[in-house]
Amino acid sequence: NAGVMQNPRHLVRRRGQEARLRCSPMKGHSHVYWYRQLPEEGLKFMVYLQKENIIDESGMPKERFSAEFPKEGPSILRIQQVVRGDSAAYFCASSPGDGGLDEQFFGPGTRLTVL
Amino acid sequence: QKEVEQNSGPLSVPEGAIASLNCTYSDRGSQSFFWYRQYSGKSPELIMFIYSNGDKEDGRFTAQLNKASQYVSLLIRDSQPSDSATYLCAPGSGGYQKVTFGIGTKLQVIP
Repeated sequence: NAGVMQNPRHLVRRRGQEARLRCSPMKGHSHVYWYRQLPEEGLKFMVYLQKENIIDESGMPKERFSAEFPKEGPSILRIQQVVRGDSAAYFCASSPGDGGLDEQFFGPGTRLTVL
Repeated sequence: QKEVEQNSGPLSVPEGAIASLNCTYSDRGSQSFFWYRQYSGKSPELIMFIYSNGDKEDGRFTAQLNKASQYVSLLIRDSQPSDSATYLCAPGSGGYQKVTFGIGTKLQVIP
């Protein structure tokens, strides 16, 4: 059973470009979470999505950042007009969403570097 | 007050000793508590969860929860160098158990 998959694993962008990060949840999981981790800092919640719905985006910057989880395909975190401060590791997690404990399982992350 | 407080460490223990990792949280509505382990450069890995007051044991790991004191801890018995990592405390609360991560405690097990 494949775990949470993220791609690309490493992404380099120049300032002003767009970054698009993908996340495929574990099989059978319908909930997806995105987190950002800056060097030597903790995990910061960004957004929580279910299929075709954004449930909680309270941790998402108001500008330049957006997320979606379409009916078909992976969840996408999009960062427009990237700046150097966006350089970080972005982790996706998924959970079953079956009303149980709903523990989150993490993907390997995407390391974004903005030049 | 931070939502989740952990001593960032590093906490150094000799091989074979007990490592004690502590965490306090501010949201009294927290219902479930997760401990994640994160090796340097890797993603967090779930190692324990607890939702009832008291102790929960799983192999060399014991999670302890005291909701009245808003305190949760993780004990690692017979610490091994492979346990060297950052341990993240993550209380869950809210309708969908939104998880808030602490900054983590860096554990170093000295051979």
